[in-house]
Amino acid sequence: GENVEQHPSTLSVQEGDSAVIKCTYSDSASNYFPWYKQELGKRPQLIIDIRSNVGEKKDQRIAVTLNKTAKHFSLHITETQPEDSAVYFCAARGGIKAAGNKLTFGGGTRVLVKP
Amino acid sequence: NAGVTQTPKFQVLKTGQSMTLQCAQDMNHNSMYWYRQDPGMGLRLIYYSASEGTTDKGEVPNGYNVSRLNKREFSLRLESAAPSQTSVYFCASSDDRFPRVKYFGPGTRLTVL
Repeated sequence: GENVEQHPSTLSVQEGDSAVIKCTYSDSASNYFPWYKQELGKRPQLIIDIRSNVGEKKDQRIAVTLNKTAKHFSLHITETQPEDSAVYFCAARGGIKAAGNKLTFGGGTRVLVKP
Repeated sequence: NAGVTQTPKFQVLKTGQSMTLQCAQDMNHNSMYWYRQDPGMGLRLIYYSASEGTTDKGEVPNGYNVSRLNKREFSLRLESAAPSQTSVYFCASSDDRFPRVKYFGPGTRLTVL
């Protein structure tokens, strides 16, 4: 099955700096890569996603890049703010054999933005 | 719209006790899911249901059973709780349109002593 690895597990940045989180996946047929943000004690919420036919997607201060050849994708947060502090999860949806639209999640990155 | 709701929010069980976690969604979604979240391990799929009346195993189904009662409700049952089942449980739902974005419930924090 699909295997998703996420790095780093923790990330501390100064307010205003950029944060980058990287994920690798194993199933070359994976076609959908969402990113979720989970604030302390809250539910995961989708913040951005990318499909396999796109190399980059941007939404205000966040962007995601996908390298299908290398099987990795990254989340970029620019001009970080204290409210960006949270745990971020990447995920990958396997190819046609991944019945039930199963997503495989990375282990999460705890981001702390220091004011 | 309430979205996805779960009950209870917190639960403490003794080893061997049983309980059912309830989940409901009001978005008319066909697909529903149960995940568990453990520190450093992300979210792992326990069971899912692609439509009313169908259920399938995910990555970590052992020790759990599910029921898709109707289109709105999907319950998760622990027949004989074990300390290894201490976790935060999230229910989610999605519609059938690609890429089937998942909407999560608020979670249930379960402790098994």
